Amino acid sequence: KAGVTQTPRYLIKTRGQQVTLSCSPISGHRSVSWYQQTPGQGLQFLFEYFSETQRNKGNFPGRFSGRQFSNSRSEMNVSTLELGDSALYLCASSLSGGSGSGQFFGPGTRLTVL
Amino acid sequence: GQQVMQIPQYQHVQEGEDFTTYCNSSTTLSNIQWYKQRPGGHPVFLIQLVKSGEVKKQKRLTFQFGEAKKNSSLHITATQTTDVGTYFCAGPGNDYKLSFGAGTTVTVRA
Repeated sequence: KAGVTQTPRYLIKTRGQQVTLSCSPISGHRSVSWYQQTPGQGLQFLFEYFSETQRNKGNFPGRFSGRQFSNSRSEMNVSTLELGDSALYLCASSLSGGSGSGQFFGPGTRLTVL
Repeated sequence: GQQVMQIPQYQHVQEGEDFTTYCNSSTTLSNIQWYKQRPGGHPVFLIQLVKSGEVKKQKRLTFQFGEAKKNSSLHITATQTTDVGTYFCAGPGNDYKLSFGAGTTVTVRA
């Protein structure tokens, strides 16, 4: 099976702009989770989607949002970008949900906000 | 909220030596997961432990889940240069969110 894919791999934006990141899970996986990884804060959970419904949400401001499509592909959007949003954004898929089973991560999108 | 702590933060190991990294949770966990992230890469799922006192081995890696299901350890024997990377443990809280530890970053001296 193909692994989790994320596009784009690298992105440079300026403050105030918005960005949309895309994730295609492993075929058959219905759960998609998003994480933000920074050197200072480590891996922080953003949200999880399962069958097009947001099942869980982390402690991030409302500028961070996401959605999942009927084919399980997911997107996350960050509006009004801030310098502190610079990070590696990782998507992970699993069969039933990340808290109950291992997750398979994509290569990530490296976002730089100038 | 539930927190997962890992120690040590850094582990510098001579090739061929053994080392252990530890993971502690403030609450009882239904399961614990371990991941490895190579430099410049993404986390890769290694294993999941579910039962109290469970021990699982993967070649030179031994994973253990504590009896109280609040701590876990990863022991690597005869460290090789391929073991370089950051090892994360992760456990779900009561809210089913997966909480990751800060990781143990391993470097190996040849």
